[in-house]
Amino acid sequence: NAGVMQNPRHLVRRRGQEARLRCSPMKGHSHVYWYRQLPEEGLKFMVYLQKENIIDESGMPKERFSAEFPKEGPSILRIQQVVRGDSAAYFCASSPTTGTYGYTFGSGTRLTVV
Amino acid sequence: GQQVMQIPQYQHVQEGEDFTTYCNSSTTLSNIQWYKQRPGGHPVFLIQLVKSGEVKKQKRLTFQFGEAKKNSSLHITATQTTDVGTYFCAGPRGGADGLTFGKGTHLIIQP
Repeated sequence: NAGVMQNPRHLVRRRGQEARLRCSPMKGHSHVYWYRQLPEEGLKFMVYLQKENIIDESGMPKERFSAEFPKEGPSILRIQQVVRGDSAAYFCASSPTTGTYGYTFGSGTRLTVV
Repeated sequence: GQQVMQIPQYQHVQEGEDFTTYCNSSTTLSNIQWYKQRPGGHPVFLIQLVKSGEVKKQKRLTFQFGEAKKNSSLHITATQTTDVGTYFCAGPRGGADGLTFGKGTHLIIQP
């Protein structure tokens, strides 16, 4: 069992560029959660997706951020026109069903905007 | 909105000393979870507590869930250098899937 896979591990983008973060859930898991962690902060919920559906995106900024979880392939968190404030660690977690369980997190993507 | 607060933010201990972190929620929780994150790493699930007044142990770690299900604590006995990291508590987001995390307690151990 490969666990939750995220890539890239580190991503550097210039201001105004696009960032694409990928998350492959654990085998058999159809629910994906994205969290953002600023330095010295806890994790903040961003979005919850099931295959082909966005269930809850209440934690995601209204502009420049989008997420998808297609029928085939990984979940993608997309940040357009990045700004310095987007620099953070982005983690995803997956679960086999709804409800609250102990999450298995991926290793995260550390985004640095220069 | 729901808030989950942790104290202290930082804790320096000598190796072998005990360590405790406290977690308080602004709302009653159906359950509470604890995670550990090593420097540069990702959060790793430690435990979930569900029942009022529940106490669970994992080797040197003792987890408690308050009677009112609004607070929790993690106690580590005789810390070791492998305990270094940040310990987070998290509760269900009110009426929604996902978790609300506290800001964590950074455990720093001096040999």
